[in-house]
Amino acid sequence: DADVTQTPRNRITKTGKRIMLECSQTKGHDRMYWYRQDPGLGLRLIYYSFDVKDINKGEISDGYSVSRQAQAKFSLSLESAIPNQTALYFCATSDFSRVTDTQYFGPGTRLTVL
Amino acid sequence: GQNIDQPTEMTATEGAIVQINCTYQTSGFNGLFWYQQHAGEAPTFLSYNVLDGLEEKGRFSSFLSRSKGYSYLLLKELQMKDSASYLCAVRDGSDYKLSFGAGTTVTVRA
Repeated sequence: DADVTQTPRNRITKTGKRIMLECSQTKGHDRMYWYRQDPGLGLRLIYYSFDVKDINKGEISDGYSVSRQAQAKFSLSLESAIPNQTALYFCATSDFSRVTDTQYFGPGTRLTVL
Repeated sequence: GQNIDQPTEMTATEGAIVQINCTYQTSGFNGLFWYQQHAGEAPTFLSYNVLDGLEEKGRFSSFLSRSKGYSYLLLKELQMKDSASYLCAVRDGSDYKLSFGAGTTVTVRA
């Protein structure tokens, strides 16, 4: 079974709709992250959380919100989706107790906003 | 913040060696990572460097020079399955966030 799962894997929605992307992990990691990936731009950080009570904005948080429901769950919401939010979204986790604090990625959610 | 540069594309022949360079400018440095990403899939961790020098892992090696703000990923004995995008990422020492380069797409030809 995958250590980091994302649902849904694919989603097509319309402008103005509210969308929630969910991430769950069984790795026992304390840190979780949301990124978006656009062609030619690489991965960009949207939000990150170092523990359940900690939420931080990344470089492109406008138009997004997050919720850390438990250590294992981190959800990303688009309150009112717009076409330029069409992208591939990745959740990642890491373990600060490890020296490298390497981030491990979920399989991604492909979101299309029409 | 970080400014990370890597070539957009590289092509090599099966069995050959390819070196992917990454240069960075950072306000604080706490490690450099290389990830492999096949089209439409998740990035997977390849290597981590925090001290100067070469780290070797089988066919893949990664080198870091902190004074030059430079790293490279060396892929030896290329196989068709190595065709992928390779992402260089630098971790900030103050907030532990990763900043990613745009990625280098490597195409391995028979």
